Parts: sequence; C-alpha cells; structure tokens
Amino acid sequence: DTAVSQTPKYLVTQMGNDKSIKCEQNLGHDTMYWYKQDSKKFLKIMFSYNNKELIINETVPNRFSPKSPDKAHLNLHINSLELGDSAVYFCASSRGLGGTDTQYFGPGTRLTVL
Amino acid sequence: AQKITQTQPGMFVQEKEAVTLDCTYDTSDPSYGLFWYKQPSSGEMIFLIYQGSYDQQNATEGRYSLNFQKARKSANLVISASQLGDSAMYFCAMREGRGGGSEKLVFGKGTKLTVNP
Repeated sequence: DTAVSQTPKYLVTQMGNDKSIKCEQNLGHDTMYWYKQDSKKFLKIMFSYNNKELIINETVPNRFSPKSPDKAHLNLHINSLELGDSAVYFCASSRGLGGTDTQYFGPGTRLTVL
Repeated sequence: AQKITQTQPGMFVQEKEAVTLDCTYDTSDPSYGLFWYKQPSSGEMIFLIYQGSYDQQNATEGRYSLNFQKARKSANLVISASQLGDSAMYFCAMREGRGGGSEKLVFGKGTKLTVNP
C-alpha cells in the first residue's frame, strides 16, 4: 500500500498556465508538507498543514496556493507558471508531534515549465 | 547561514566496504532531530535513520548507523558492507520546530554515493 502518493508524477506545461498537484496520505498523520527540490537537488520546505490548518508558509510566491480539504489530502495549485518553477515537488506527512516523529515523502512530481 | 553542511559532493566506495558520509549541523536549540534520507536515481526520498539530540546512544538501522558527536555537532552516516543498490544521493536533515505542524526539515546539499563492483 502506498503511504504518501502524488499525482501526477510528471507535469509538462507552458509558461503562464495554471496547474495542480495532488497529494494523499493513508498513514493517519495530522501534518502534511510541500517541499521543492531544485535543479541542484536542494530541498526546501514550502508549506505545512496541521489538521487542515496552514502552519508554515516559507516565503513562497502567492502564485502557489496549497489547499487541504481534509487531513489526508494536501494539494498544491500554481498560477501563472514561470520557468523558475521547474523543479521536483515532494509532498510529505508526519504525525506532527516532534520528538522521534519522522516525515515520510511521496514519490515526487517533476514539473517542467517550457 | 547554512544549518546543515555536507562537505562531500561525491563519494566512491568499493562493494562490501564501509563508507562514512559526513554531516555537520548548527543550532542553538537543545532539542532537535537529525535524519538521513536516501534518494536513488528513481527520485523518491527514503527515510533511513533518525537521531534525537537527547539520545545517549548512536542510532542503528540494519547496515546504517549514525555516528553522533554532539559536542562537534556532527551526525555522520556510516553504511557498512556497501551494496550496488546503495548508489544514490544521501541527504542529512535537521528538524526544527516542536510539533503541531511547525516542524520542518532543513536539508544539506547532499552527497552522491557511487558503489563500485
């Protein structure tokens, strides 16, 4: 069973378009995250949600809008895509308890903006 | 300031030998967690091992162990008996925040490990 899943796995689109990436976790976790991995493989957090509430918004352009319809789902909508948005986007989830809590990652979505 | 430093962009090891991947961190918070993740060429992020700042013993998970030296602020990953399937990028990360969704992972730049037959 897939613990954290993302769709689509690959996304190729033109500049200026709007696109969404979906994430679902079946681990019963309360907290979900979006991370961005750039072309140099550097990973950086974008957002976190706890029980559908936005907790972390890490100075991401407001063209990026996360939405959490329930605590098992966290989607990422991106408006007016730019070349610099090309990256791999990872969803992750955890219990959100700190301590020994571990974040588990989805398979990633490779976004290419042409 | 960089909080997680991985000084080895690339490492090579012979199959069946042990290898150490370096990681140093910087924090003033007495409570933190350190993680290692593996990213094979297929792209997924695989959790390997965790070390808490208050843990007295070094963490171990199968062939992975974490050499935790708190005073030096280092958390090196040791892979014993390397296998060809260990070839991948390895990321060290530190958790900041105390729970309730406020925690985030801060990653190093990664080390690309190549295991030679």
